[in-house]
Amino acid sequence: GAGVSQSPSNKVTEKGKDVELRCDPISGHTALYWYRQSLGQGLEFLIYFQGNSAPDKSGLPSDRFSAERTGGSVSTLTIQRTQQEDSAVYLCASSPSRGRDTQYFGPGTRLTVL
Amino acid sequence: GENVEQHPSTLSVQEGDSAVIKCTYSDSASNYFPWYKQELGKGPQLIIDIRSNVGEKKDQRIAVTLNKTAKHFSLHITETQPEDSAVYFCAASTDNMLTFGGGTRLMVKP
Repeated sequence: GAGVSQSPSNKVTEKGKDVELRCDPISGHTALYWYRQSLGQGLEFLIYFQGNSAPDKSGLPSDRFSAERTGGSVSTLTIQRTQQEDSAVYLCASSPSRGRDTQYFGPGTRLTVL
Repeated sequence: GENVEQHPSTLSVQEGDSAVIKCTYSDSASNYFPWYKQELGKGPQLIIDIRSNVGEKKDQRIAVTLNKTAKHFSLHITETQPEDSAVYFCAASTDNMLTFGGGTRLMVKP
């Protein structure tokens, strides 16, 4: 079946602009995660959605970052007033349920802030 | 919170040799340990995982071992091939969250 998809695959923006990144999880997966991966670095947790529960936003680096998940499916990560240090690959993952189940990753969105 | 350390950060082996990547974790409550392979320009892909009720798991040329007492787990790749070249990440799951190691860049020389 279809895996996790993300769009766009690449995004170049100017400092100060807002960007929206989209994630389509695997159908039926209730858990959705966003991570950030800077060049040559590991994965930094950003935010976690589980079903209709309030999201875990503990990883968001600043209030310029926000995310929503509509209808328990598609999620959008929004970065307002982008800064050069926001440049990274943003990865989305989904899981059949919370906790111990495997997370399946999308291909990521490479964001470049000029 | 959980902290996962991964070593080495880079590893170069000759084709056909074995490769071993090691991780340690801090939270004894962690109970699920997946390994991901990330090729250039792609998202991480699960290659093998182990749960805390077993000590070893094998899948063809890949094996993972877990020592809960020492809080460390390892990935073993035998008979390495050039297509094994990638970045490998370990992770540990606590409180419904995965914490990732810093990654190991594996280079298999033909």
